[in-house]
Amino acid sequence: DAKTTQPNSMESNEEEPVHLPCNHSTISGTDYIHWYRQLPSQGPEYVIHGLTSNVNNRMASLAIAEDRKSSTLILHRATLRDAAVYYCILNNNAGNMLTFGGGTRLMVKP
Amino acid sequence: DSGVTQTPKHLITATGQRVTLRCSPRSGDLSVYWYQQSLDQGLQFLIQYYNGEERAKGNILERFSAQQFPDLHSELNLSSLELGDSALYFCASSAELWGSEQFFGPGTRLTVL
Repeated sequence: DAKTTQPNSMESNEEEPVHLPCNHSTISGTDYIHWYRQLPSQGPEYVIHGLTSNVNNRMASLAIAEDRKSSTLILHRATLRDAAVYYCILNNNAGNMLTFGGGTRLMVKP
Repeated sequence: DSGVTQTPKHLITATGQRVTLRCSPRSGDLSVYWYQQSLDQGLQFLIQYYNGEERAKGNILERFSAQQFPDLHSELNLSSLELGDSALYFCASSAELWGSEQFFGPGTRLTVL
């Protein structure tokens, strides 16, 4: 399975943009890049996913490098509620199971 | 609220016992997944069912089994429990067999004493 590498933790100030990086240098052509987050004491929550092009939704934006070996999840204005562990996951749609790594713990300061 | 429900919320039991965790997927979702989250192993995929049939298996112990019923709810059975089975067990559901986002329930916290 292709692996992802994320920083263990990041800090942000409230109402500022946050860029969460993910490296996936062994990504294959059929791998989708998924992001999930887990708020304290809750189950994981889908954030966004993409294949090659950048993607936007109401929660975040996903910027995918041209060679697809890295991606960045962008929260445009961090709120205290965005404090969570963010997981970058590769899914090749041959099966839909998610393989979670360690994720990035995002702390948001007021 | 993801629309996925899990019962019970908490379960405390003793080593050697057997427990059943229950999951009701979002309305209309045919695929159900079980995940285990422990402090030392993180979040791990256990098993997936789609429309009543087992479709994928992950790091699920032989002491654990699952099934999905005709009404699409699923149960995860854990037997001969050990201290190391203490964890959060999450159920998730998705509309399709693959390629679609997963919606996670609130989890069942199992404590084995």
